[in-house]
Amino acid sequence: AQSVSQHNHHVILSEAASLELGCNYSYGGTVNLFWYVQYPGQHLQLLLKYFSGDPLVKGIKGFEAEFIKSKFSFNLRKPSVQWSDTAEYFCAVRTGGGNKLTFGTGTQLKVEL
Amino acid sequence: GAGVSQSPRYKVAKRGQDVALRCDPISGHVSLFWYQQALGQGPEFLTYFQNEAQLDKSGLPSDRFFAERPEGSVSTLKIQRTQQEDSAVYLCASSLLGLGVDYEQYFGPGTRLTVT
Repeated sequence: AQSVSQHNHHVILSEAASLELGCNYSYGGTVNLFWYVQYPGQHLQLLLKYFSGDPLVKGIKGFEAEFIKSKFSFNLRKPSVQWSDTAEYFCAVRTGGGNKLTFGTGTQLKVEL
Repeated sequence: GAGVSQSPRYKVAKRGQDVALRCDPISGHVSLFWYQQALGQGPEFLTYFQNEAQLDKSGLPSDRFFAERPEGSVSTLKIQRTQQEDSAVYLCASSLLGLGVDYEQYFGPGTRLTVT
């Protein structure tokens, strides 16, 4: 069965620092990849997604992610974080044309002023 | 437009009680999913409907869990004889049917179930 690993469980950054959150998945076939964000008190929202084509995907609020097939990775990046980026971030994968999403355990990001 | 809504938002049940959790998906969304999110974990898939048909229930942890979507719109997740390990946030998501690049699951706010 497929699985998703997020290596950083808690990350604390100062405003304007650069962010990279790791995500690795285990599945050898076709994948669709997603990053979801959950701001405090809010529901899960889609940040960005990869289906095919350019492996560098840009999402909302200045986030981007790069799909590296050889490394089974889909890391999330942002050049300069803001206090409002404080949230929990989840990587998810959809495999083999199926419908369900398999999520990682999440990374709690805290941005300090 | 309106998003996915869930009710109740919070539910406290005594061990052994039955509970019913409701999900109203986005109008016109064919697919509906239930996920369970334990504290400190990511959402885990429970079951999937396409219209009224339950096509995948591989994630339901036991036969105490039952889901239905009789008219292809509103869905109910029922948990019988609740146990403490059932304490979690139950998330509902809906999507349009398809494999294209516009595929996205839209999540509701969740129902936080606490079993005492």
